[in-house]
Amino acid sequence: EAQVTQNPRYLITVTGKKLTVTCSQNMNHEYMSWYRQDPGLGLRQIYYSMNVEVTDKGDVPEGYKVSRKEKRNFPLILESPSPNQTSLYFCASSLGRNSYEQYFGPGTRLTVT
Amino acid sequence: GENVEQHPSTLSVQEGDSAVIKCTYSDSASNYFPWYKQELGKGPQLIIDIRSNVGEKKDQRIAVTLNKTAKHFSLHITETQPEDSAVYFCAASGGTGTASKLTFGTGTRLQVTL
Repeated sequence: EAQVTQNPRYLITVTGKKLTVTCSQNMNHEYMSWYRQDPGLGLRQIYYSMNVEVTDKGDVPEGYKVSRKEKRNFPLILESPSPNQTSLYFCASSLGRNSYEQYFGPGTRLTVT
Repeated sequence: GENVEQHPSTLSVQEGDSAVIKCTYSDSASNYFPWYKQELGKGPQLIIDIRSNVGEKKDQRIAVTLNKTAKHFSLHITETQPEDSAVYFCAASGGTGTASKLTFGTGTRLQVTL
């Protein structure tokens, strides 16, 4: 089944404790992206990757890191999480530059205390 | 960069009535306008999209219209059913910068009552 998977689905952590949220897609998509969803703000792009080893900042990149060492994986790293990073996070992927439809993962609900 | 505004933020309709959600965008170079439906506990899922060379597109009970001159597009759902209850997001893409980047509206929570 073609899908985007994220792990974990739920995470409660404390301020400053490094964490990684994994994202994997099995559709051989070139483009991958991370969004955060907050009430009243919709989905805002954190980082995106056009292909392996190519990543760039989205609209709200502060406090986040990403890597794209393999085509299928695009982990989101929070080196020192803070309470304002409490949010619902979504990973998405699409075929590439000329294919706009994005497929979303199920989401990761992160709480930082 | 692109800015997308979406209205209303909440919408309640009776089963069988129509629902309309409206969005405006700022970047005249944007050329792809998808609509996503997000059910509780799930990720957004594409339900319909339209490209700038088309003014209207229909798929059964849902339709999207695009007015490029006015830079606005709308989602129309006819004969609403309880399973249409969800949060709907509009988005715009293909403008200045990365072609695949989606800029989302803030969402509309649609409630279909019996």
